[in-house]
Amino acid sequence: AQSVAQPEDQVNVAEGNPLTVKCTYSVSGNPYLFWYVQYPNRGLQFLLKYITGDNLVKGSYGFEAEFNKSQTSFHLKKPSALVSDSALYFCAVRAPTGANNLFFGTGTRLTVIP
Amino acid sequence: GAGVSQSPSNKVTEKGKDVELRCDPISGHTALYWYRQRLGQGLEFLIYFQGNSAPDKSGLPSDRFSAERTGESVSTLTIQRTQQEDSAVYLCASSYPTQTYEQYFGPGTRLTVT
Repeated sequence: AQSVAQPEDQVNVAEGNPLTVKCTYSVSGNPYLFWYVQYPNRGLQFLLKYITGDNLVKGSYGFEAEFNKSQTSFHLKKPSALVSDSALYFCAVRAPTGANNLFFGTGTRLTVIP
Repeated sequence: GAGVSQSPSNKVTEKGKDVELRCDPISGHTALYWYRQRLGQGLEFLIYFQGNSAPDKSGLPSDRFSAERTGESVSTLTIQRTQQEDSAVYLCASSYPTQTYEQYFGPGTRLTVT
């Protein structure tokens, strides 16, 4: 069975500081991994994905994520946080074969403090 | 082009009534998904359509839930005899058939059952 864990419900960071939002996963085989962001009253927006290749993937709005197979993690990072990054972030996983739906974590609310 | 659209944006209904939620996917996206997002929780997969193939209904929580899709366009999610636990945001997503891992989400329909 596939699953995703986001251990932190809330992450607070000062503007300009680096941010990390944690995600660990469980899936059979090589995973497809994703980060989505949800701004208030808006749908989920795709940020980035890892399918294969380099472990460090870059996405929208300056975000990046590092795939670590040994730790089964896919943490989201940004070198310098902006107040506008404040939102709800979801990590998701999909197995490379079989079901096409994504399995989502419970989300982490990021607050960037001016 | 236009993104995924959903209607209504909000729906309040009485317990026991039936409701229909509508999703218009992005043109050319043959894959369509419905998810449910309960307050403070991650997204739960409900159902997946891919072209003319039989839908994957493995996520539907009960036989009160059903969904239809006309060709490769509009989809409706129907909930019969609504219960209070059905209160949630219902999200629709679509994707290209060869990139089912990159899903584009609509803004959702917030359903409140009183």
